[in-house]
Amino acid sequence: EVQVVESGGGSVQPGGSLRLSCTVSGLRIGNDWMSWVRQAPGKGLEWVANTKPDGSEEHYVESVKGRFAISRDNDRNSLYLQMNSLRTEDTAMYYCVPESSSGYAHWGQGTLVIVSS
Amino acid sequence: QSALTQPPSASGSPGQSVAISCTGTGSDVGASNYVSWYQQHPGKAPKLIIYEVNKRPSGVPDRFSGSKSANTASLTVSGLQVEDEADYYCSSYEGRKLFGGGTKLTVL
Repeated sequence: EVQVVESGGGSVQPGGSLRLSCTVSGLRIGNDWMSWVRQAPGKGLEWVANTKPDGSEEHYVESVKGRFAISRDNDRNSLYLQMNSLRTEDTAMYYCVPESSSGYAHWGQGTLVIVSS
Repeated sequence: QSALTQPPSASGSPGQSVAISCTGTGSDVGASNYVSWYQQHPGKAPKLIIYEVNKRPSGVPDRFSGSKSANTASLTVSGLQVEDEADYYCSSYEGRKLFGGGTKLTVL
């Protein structure tokens, strides 16, 4: 059984930083693109960023470019999201999701980020 | 990147069928068979119910089916059950990663 566990969320003031972590078990992530997807309170899903299996390529939604950085450690089967210059509109539940031709098949419970003064 | 367009709400009575649409463009939904659907109950993580337009993961009831015509994908839930009441999201996941705005399905 595949399990995804996100951590690192919390409350931070605008302009602050947070680093999210995700550990996957039951699946070797080294062959998969990995994504972060977020969901603002009461809103829909939004893809945020992804990274190539070897970490050599990254893509971001326009609204986080230059502020967020995705990274991975395949030996630790882990994914990270460094979030800087946080804005109130970044408030959301953040999910770490392995990509596959079958879509986003495995979700954790997410980690909540609240940006507020 | 604009979200895919879904109706905000849909409803049906137990036993009925309901269809939810997901409209994109020729650059996303229309260009690929990598369209998926997710079910999300309140306070829970999304769950994959359809991938590659019309394929169901193991364990998903065959009451859930998917289709696509041109730039619009559709999810049909047949034989509605009370537990189907949830939010449903479509996604185009080849190239640009897009989600629909979500549809709240109410079982009357």
